[in-house]
Amino acid sequence: QSVLTQPPSASATPGQRVTISCSGSSSNIGTNTVNWFQQVPGTAPKVLIYSNNQRPSGVPERFSGSKSGTSASLAISGLQSEDEADYYCAAWDDSLNAYVFGTGTKVTVL
Amino acid sequence: EVQLLESGGGLVQPGGSVRLSCEASGFTFNNYAMTWVRQAPGRGLEWVSGISGSGGGTYSADSVKGRFTLSRDNSKNTVYLQMNSLRAEDTAMYYCAKGVIFGVAGSFDIWGQGTMVTVFS
Repeated sequence: QSVLTQPPSASATPGQRVTISCSGSSSNIGTNTVNWFQQVPGTAPKVLIYSNNQRPSGVPERFSGSKSGTSASLAISGLQSEDEADYYCAAWDDSLNAYVFGTGTKVTVL
Repeated sequence: EVQLLESGGGLVQPGGSVRLSCEASGFTFNNYAMTWVRQAPGRGLEWVSGISGSGGGTYSADSVKGRFTLSRDNSKNTVYLQMNSLRAEDTAMYYCAKGVIFGVAGSFDIWGQGTMVTVFS
């Protein structure tokens, strides 16, 4: 059972902006940094955002992350067809001494 | 080029054992934590276990504690996941991932392609 809650789905037309929320608690998001992963079905996940808002080299600037209190968000601006994928937030949980993933959000480009 | 190559997956009966391996290349292996993440068919990602760069610190999810053991051999640039007392619910694609720091609590920047473990009777 995931301890980080995400909406199951999100959708928008190409060029629009999509925002995905991730709700946690004081022992995970409230204390530690948040990371976001993208997974295209049938492939391995890849990191999109680390340390709340940092993009690895090669990740387009239209992906951005933010954190406030015990919640975090991933925004995708200028949505493109190749952004259709599953997105997961994740963070270390100090109470569980475990890394926890969000429930996942499927993004559909209409 | 940084690469992770998993191996060892396959079919196993309930109660059986499997050892997964993840061989790394392209980076200074003992400087980074390593982690296993699994994904059951049609389900989300689940963190399984992580080990620090030295191997001195290991952490596991409650769902696998007492059954799975994570270890690493820094001389071989390889991390191992020994999986015992396997259950049907352990059926999943198992991904090896490289941490971004020495400790286990950081993010992962490189993922392997995964190895499938199927527990069936």
